[in-house]
Amino acid sequence: EVQLVESGGDLVQPGGSLRLSCAASGFTLSNYWMHWVRQAPGKGLVWVSRINSDGSDIRYADSVKGRFTISRDNAKSTLYLQMNSLRDDDTALYYCVRGFSNSGWPEGDFWGQGTLVTVSS
Amino acid sequence: DIQMTQSPYSLSVSIGDRVTITCRASQSLGSYLNWYQQKPGKAPKLLIYAVSYLHTGVPSRFSASGSGADFTLTISSVQPEDFATYYCQQSSRTPYTFGQGTKLEIK
Repeated sequence: EVQLVESGGDLVQPGGSLRLSCAASGFTLSNYWMHWVRQAPGKGLVWVSRINSDGSDIRYADSVKGRFTISRDNAKSTLYLQMNSLRDDDTALYYCVRGFSNSGWPEGDFWGQGTLVTVSS
Repeated sequence: DIQMTQSPYSLSVSIGDRVTITCRASQSLGSYLNWYQQKPGKAPKLLIYAVSYLHTGVPSRFSASGSGADFTLTISSVQPEDFATYYCQQSSRTPYTFGQGTKLEIK
């Protein structure tokens, strides 16, 4: 059974840092691109970042570029999001999402349950 | 950035109604258009990928079509479990933008 389990969310002050983790099981992480998507309370979905299967191609939303870093450890079947210089508007539920496999579609077929990041003084 | 505009913003329907949700992109997307369903307090679920392909386990009352920059999601006969918010998403170019969502409510 495919599972994505996020962790690391917390209450943090503006300017602080957090590292989110996403533990993948039930499939071979190294065969898949992975994404982070966030959702502020009561709001819609916002794509944050994407990493390809071997970590050589990384993209970010403009709102997080230079502050967030996506990475992966395929040997540990874990995806990460290092979040620095956090702002109030980073407050959201952060989802880990499975992307394309090395053989193509579909993408977005599995989502974690999310981990809550609250940025507040 | 590619802008995704869904309509309507919300929809009030009865069980058994046929429902169509539209999604318009600010530029052509090729096949890179997905649809998701999200229920309150739950993670989104993939319904449709690559414009028109039904994801595994999704009921056949869901269908989708489109090309270029205009896409539609149709529910042929709405069931009680379909009341949720629906999002389109483009993955043609980063940033991979979502539509603002369409909330399907019971009339």
